[in-house]
Amino acid sequence: AQSVAQPEDQVNVAEGNPLTVKCTYSVSGNPYLFWYVQYPNRGLQFLLKYITGDNLVKGSYGFEAEFNKSQTSFHLKKPSALVSDSALYFCAVRPRRGGYQKVTFGIGTKLQVIP
Amino acid sequence: GAVVSQHPSRVICKSGTSVKIECRSLDFQATTMFWYRQFPKKSLMLMATSNEGSKATYEQGVEKDKFLINHASLTLSTLTVTSAHPEDSSFYICSAQGARGLVDEQYFGPGTRLTVT
Repeated sequence: AQSVAQPEDQVNVAEGNPLTVKCTYSVSGNPYLFWYVQYPNRGLQFLLKYITGDNLVKGSYGFEAEFNKSQTSFHLKKPSALVSDSALYFCAVRPRRGGYQKVTFGIGTKLQVIP
Repeated sequence: GAVVSQHPSRVICKSGTSVKIECRSLDFQATTMFWYRQFPKKSLMLMATSNEGSKATYEQGVEKDKFLINHASLTLSTLTVTSAHPEDSSFYICSAQGARGLVDEQYFGPGTRLTVT
């Protein structure tokens, strides 16, 4: 069974500082990996995905994520946090093979950027 | 592009009544749509997957007779919560996936807040 772990319920960072939101996964083979952001009472917005190639993936709003196969991690990063980045962030994984392409989401990490 | 809408955004209904939630892909054809339920401070729980023109595939533990899903066209899927009870109160989110490639990300609707009184 596939699973996603986001070990931090909440991450606090000062505005202008770099931020990291952690994600590790467990799935057979090499999965597709995603990050989504959710603002209060809203649906999820796609940030970025890893398919293949360069381990550093760049996405929307200045976010990037680094795929580390040996550590089975896909941490989300941003060099300089903005107050508007405060939201709930979800990491997700989907198997690369198989007809039923079910996406499994992590429990979410609340990012709080402090002015 | 890739916009998904949900209607209504918020609904309050009385216990025992049924409520229908619509999910539409506005600018692409969604071969597959997903329905999720999100509890406070919890992740998204996949309820069912529906492909246009066929019966939905429900996740284990989800009552198919209670949560009726219809995917009648490539742009519309509906979730009907039948005989709703207060424990059905939740945030329901749909997502749609197109047929453009193998790794299309899912595009999410804005969600529907259901409150059963």
